[in-house]
Amino acid sequence: NAGVMQNPRHLVRRRGQEARLRCSPMKGHSHVYWYRQLPEEGLKFMVYLQKENIIDESGMPKERFSAEFPKEGPSILRIQQVVRGDSAAYFCASSASGGSQPQHFGDGTRLSIL
Amino acid sequence: QQQVKQSPQSLIVQKGGIPIINCAYENTAFDYFPWYQQFPGKGPALLIAIRPDVSEKKEGRFTISFNKSAKQFSLHIMDSQPGDSATYFCAASLGNNDMRFGAGTRLTVKP
Repeated sequence: NAGVMQNPRHLVRRRGQEARLRCSPMKGHSHVYWYRQLPEEGLKFMVYLQKENIIDESGMPKERFSAEFPKEGPSILRIQQVVRGDSAAYFCASSASGGSQPQHFGDGTRLSIL
Repeated sequence: QQQVKQSPQSLIVQKGGIPIINCAYENTAFDYFPWYQQFPGKGPALLIAIRPDVSEKKEGRFTISFNKSAKQFSLHIMDSQPGDSATYFCAASLGNNDMRFGAGTRLTVKP
């Protein structure tokens, strides 16, 4: 499967715990984007990364949220001390280059906070 | 700040009909306009995209019409089928990786 791979598909956490969401981009893609989707809503941009660099994190909350895309391995979106309002679907997309280029999405991680 | 407005919110057509979904944008710096199709439990899948130097683009049964002066673009689905029932999102990109999505249109095609 050469598509964008996200895991886990479903994640349940209790308030105060940490959530780690992983994303492996399409083969040959070095640009990764994270989006959040609430029920019945569109996708909201969170962060854009290239290997080892955060390019744009303007859509990511300043506290509790962080993202990385190491030289080796998947991109990680990390949410510390989760709250009920963090419950959402988190999607990762990748592209071969930056700028206005096609972004290909994974099937997302559904995060539920108890 | 919502920069892409999508309508209608939901749409029901009969099989064979031509649903039309509309989007309007505000920022004239947008230079890439994709449409995504999303099925329940799945990620958005890129359907078709257009750049502002073209007024129309067709791929199979899907057509984008683009009106640069009106800052509007629309998706037409020819000969719609029940399998086209999904949520459709328009988007617009500023060229700096900042892609803004519309709120989505839930399309139902009745057999």
